[in-house]
Amino acid sequence: GAVVSQHPSRVICKSGTSVKIECRSLDFQATTMFWYRQFPKQSLMLMATSNEGSKATYEQGVEKDKFLINHASLTLSTLTVTSAHPEDSSFYICSARVGGINEKLFFGSGTQLSVL
Amino acid sequence: AQSVAQPEDQVNVAEGNPLTVKCTYSVSGNPYLFWYVQYPNRGLQFLLKYITGDNLVKGSYGFEAEFNKSQTSFHLKKPSALVSDSALYFCAVRPKAAGNKLTFGGGTRVLVKP
Repeated sequence: GAVVSQHPSRVICKSGTSVKIECRSLDFQATTMFWYRQFPKQSLMLMATSNEGSKATYEQGVEKDKFLINHASLTLSTLTVTSAHPEDSSFYICSARVGGINEKLFFGSGTQLSVL
Repeated sequence: AQSVAQPEDQVNVAEGNPLTVKCTYSVSGNPYLFWYVQYPNRGLQFLLKYITGDNLVKGSYGFEAEFNKSQTSFHLKKPSALVSDSALYFCAVRPKAAGNKLTFGGGTRVLVKP
């Protein structure tokens, strides 16, 4: 099946710094990628929808200036957490859409962000 | 707005026994329904989905789920659980007309004991 690679798997940073998370579709082109956030023992919350070559669509309550999303190519989307704070600590997961009638979403392995 | 409910935070089952993970949903129109499994520190893996047709859907690793429109349910089942099935399971729904925005349930942790 299709593979989505997400890096880094774990990152620890100081408060006030920025962190970039990459999401790559390795063997297919993904016109649409999604970014989720998962708090401990909770479900995934969709943050934004990323379309190649256009601005991301953010869900209500998600700060677009805080969580910068870039989808410059059909195989790469990045999420940058700017000026990270401890409350941004979370598990971030990306997914990529394979379209068509039998469309599917393939998920990355996630990034555990810890902001000190 | 759509919503998904997984009423059980955790399900414990002995290895070899049947496993059921419950899911009910609320959505306008006909839904697409999904089950995903998440192992520790890993992303979600697709198990199965219901699009249309036969209400009983068979998926990966011996799992199946039954779409029940009248009860708005999509319970996940496995006839004989394995210890390796211990993981976090998420039900998700997407209205057919809503693009690809999935709404996830809160998740159910499954613990299969030897």
